[in-house]
Amino acid sequence: QVQLQESGPGLVKPSETLSLTCAVSGYSISSGYYWGWIRQPPGKGLEWIGSIYHSGSTYYNPSLKSRVTISVDTSKNQFSLKLSSVTAADTAVYYCAREKRHYYFDYWGQGTLVTVSS
Amino acid sequence: QSVLTQPPSVSGAPGQRVTISCTGSSSNIGAGYDVHWYQQLPGTAPKLLIYGNSNRPSGVPDRFSGSKSGTSASLAITGLQAEDEADYYCQSYDSSLSGSRVFGTGTKVTVL
Repeated sequence: QVQLQESGPGLVKPSETLSLTCAVSGYSISSGYYWGWIRQPPGKGLEWIGSIYHSGSTYYNPSLKSRVTISVDTSKNQFSLKLSSVTAADTAVYYCAREKRHYYFDYWGQGTLVTVSS
Repeated sequence: QSVLTQPPSVSGAPGQRVTISCTGSSSNIGAGYDVHWYQQLPGTAPKLLIYGNSNRPSGVPDRFSGSKSGTSASLAITGLQAEDEADYYCQSYDSSLSGSRVFGTGTKVTVL
């Protein structure tokens, strides 16, 4: 069974960089598929942040592209998200997920709440 | 701002049929890209409900069905049950947004 688990600080100060990691078990990232990050502000809808292939190729949401970096570490079977210059608007539950062909997400992590506040 | 529009809420009595629409445009659904649906129960992560317009993953009851036509898609829930009360999101791909995966605005289903 594929499992994903997000980890990282739950509180980030404004203007700093949000950093999260998604550990994958039950499937080797090197075997294929894209791996994505999605976020959900409190009480609001889902927003795709970006996706990365095991080779390292990435696609980012144009509205976040200037601030986002997604990387993969196949040796640790994990991938990571960095979001720079955060503001209160970046407060959200952040999910990692496996992305199948034709752009859908079949396995999701439980999500982690990141609050941006001084 | 989402490029896929859903009604904010729909409701129905137990046993009834409800449908949720997902309206897109010529750069996403209308361009032939597949539509997928997710169910999000309160306080939990989204769960894949329908993929590739009308396919159900293993374990998803056949009460849930999906369809697509033109620039829109629909999710139908037949035999509505109390456990179906949740938020539902459609999702597709948009070619005008540099490879963006896009989600719908979300629909709250209430079982009366």
